[in-house]
Amino acid sequence: GAVVSQHPSRVICKSGTSVKIECRSLDFQATTMFWYRQFPKQSLMLMATSNEGSKATYEQGVEKDKFLINHASLTLSTLTVTSAHPEDSSFYICSAQGLGGIVNEQFFGPGTRLTVL
Amino acid sequence: GQQVMQIPQYQHVQEGEDFTTYCNSSTTLSNIQWYKQRPGGHPVFLIQLVKSGEVKKQKRLTFQFGEAKKNSSLHITATQTTDVGTYFCGSSNTGKLIFGQGTTLQVKP
Repeated sequence: GAVVSQHPSRVICKSGTSVKIECRSLDFQATTMFWYRQFPKQSLMLMATSNEGSKATYEQGVEKDKFLINHASLTLSTLTVTSAHPEDSSFYICSAQGLGGIVNEQFFGPGTRLTVL
Repeated sequence: GQQVMQIPQYQHVQEGEDFTTYCNSSTTLSNIQWYKQRPGGHPVFLIQLVKSGEVKKQKRLTFQFGEAKKNSSLHITATQTTDVGTYFCGSSNTGKLIFGQGTTLQVKP
């Protein structure tokens, strides 16, 4: 089946630093990738839709200047959390929608757990 | 915007008992998807339903999509400890997947 990887799996950083998270589709091309955030014991909240070669579409309430998304190729999307603060600590998960297969099926990466001190 | 409400939030069952989680929407859904997330893991796609009144089975799991395409359910028969996790319903609209709140299932051996 389709595999999506994320790197790093876990990151701890100091307040004020920026953190980049990579999401890769390993064996298929993904024209669209999605970024979610999940707080403990809560559901996944869609942050933005990342389209290859164009600007990301952000959900209401998500600051585009704080969460920079770049979808430079059909297999890679990156999320950069700029000037991270403790309230940004969360589980960030990406997903990719491939071509063919079950329409609308999304393949999720293993997630990145961010802790901001 | 589109919202999907899911209940219950938590369910504790004895191994062997059945389990059901429900999703409801105030608007007609084009599709409903179900995912399972194990503790510490990421969501894994289980199934997608698109037709009114559709019923699909995967071993002990039965998925239903309501006639009006506004509700769905996931039923597990004779739960096992391996069923532990959080089950999310979600609906995809123009590619965006909106999740319900999830139901966390605990199974006592």
